[in-house]
Amino acid sequence: DIQMTQSPTSLSASVGDRVTITCRASQSISNYLNWYQYKPGEAPKLLIIGASTLQSGVPSRFSGSGSGTHFTLAITNLQLEDFATYYCQQTYNTLGMFGQGTKVEI
Amino acid sequence: EVLLVQSGAEVGKSGESLMLSCKTSGFSFSNYWIGWVRQMPGKGLEWVGIIYPRDSDAKYSPSFQGRVIISADKSTNSVFLKWSSLRASDTATYFCARRYVFYDSSGQLVVNDALDAWGQGTLVTVSP
Repeated sequence: DIQMTQSPTSLSASVGDRVTITCRASQSISNYLNWYQYKPGEAPKLLIIGASTLQSGVPSRFSGSGSGTHFTLAITNLQLEDFATYYCQQTYNTLGMFGQGTKVEI
Repeated sequence: EVLLVQSGAEVGKSGESLMLSCKTSGFSFSNYWIGWVRQMPGKGLEWVGIIYPRDSDAKYSPSFQGRVIISADKSTNSVFLKWSSLRASDTATYFCARRYVFYDSSGQLVVNDALDAWGQGTLVTVSP
């Protein structure tokens, strides 16, 4: 199985900050990496596909980069609605694993 | 509009059977893989399994193989997740989600896939 490791597990930030979340795969997954946002009581939301393509409707302050084994999600000008937990997911295999999540707190 | 609407919260006891439903609308049900994802209390997301309604081909995460059955009903555009014998460790929120496949400009080559639409989640609580 390809393991996905996110860091940090949680981070504290303020409105207007820039934050970055890292996701590492245990082996190369090319760009088969998606990012999701999750808020308790809501459905998870797809943010980024293929490591760097913003899903339709997602604000441009979100961006993704990376390939192979190292990936990054960046959020610039953090807004109140961005405080949530973020998950990476590899789609190199069927039922590709999710990372353990990164909680972005105020 | 693509919608996935899940059945309501469930409370059960160890050993009991249970079935969750996920009713879809707004897209061609038979042509998309629909998956189930678990979130245990305070934990992250993990795959349960996925099904292709056109032929009911289902694939399961090793942790769930043999413990649950995923099925689909094309007449109601619904997907189901069933346990024959619950355990307290099944306590979690379960999400259904549509797997969308992205193709290149020729429309022939798959370039990626993602869970692009999700249900609202169903909380399952199992007592010992």
